[in-house]
Amino acid sequence: DAKTTQPTSMDCAEGRAANLPCNHSTISGNEYVYWYRQIHSQGPQYIIHGLKNNETNEMASLIITEDRKSSTLILPHATLRDTAVYYCIVRVSQGGKLIFGQGTELSVKP
Amino acid sequence: DAGVIQSPRHEVTEMGQEVTLRCKPISGHNSLFWYRQTMMRGLELLIYFNNNVPIDDSGMPEDRFSAKMPNASFSTLKIQPSEPRDSAVYFCASGLAGGRPDTQYFGPGTRLTVL
Repeated sequence: DAKTTQPTSMDCAEGRAANLPCNHSTISGNEYVYWYRQIHSQGPQYIIHGLKNNETNEMASLIITEDRKSSTLILPHATLRDTAVYYCIVRVSQGGKLIFGQGTELSVKP
Repeated sequence: DAGVIQSPRHEVTEMGQEVTLRCKPISGHNSLFWYRQTMMRGLELLIYFNNNVPIDDSGMPEDRFSAKMPNASFSTLKIQPSEPRDSAVYFCASGLAGGRPDTQYFGPGTRLTVL
């Protein structure tokens, strides 16, 4: 599975959009980009995933560059409850393990 | 939907004792994963099962650790004997391999402290 690089931490004002970047320059053609988050003292939670097209669901949007070497997770209106560690993971979709890096610690401030 | 259930939620034991962690996956899921999280090493996969069969146990630290999945609704992770360095939060996750999306759903974790 390809390695990802994320900033260690980010701040965001409540109500504003939070844009979390991820670099995955060695991604292969059959690998998907997955995002999970972990709120303090809880298990990780799936957010969204994509292959090459931009994706949106009720939680977030995922923007993947055309060359697929990087992506951005967007939380359109961040709330205090979005404070968490966000993990960008690249893997083949069909089964198998998730390899978690250090993630980005997002702090949403009032 | 009850989600993934783990027990106990907290466990404090003394070095040398046997520890058994339990997990009930989401009904209908056919994959089950055991992870360990520490400050130093982050979140690590220990072992995962597909259809109750262990597929990859390369993350199991050593022979003191063992995991079983006797049926589709139950799994255990056992540490015998336990050591202080085993102190961590242990997460169980389940998923539907080949599902759309192929995601994993995590339980609340078991916080293990070995004195």
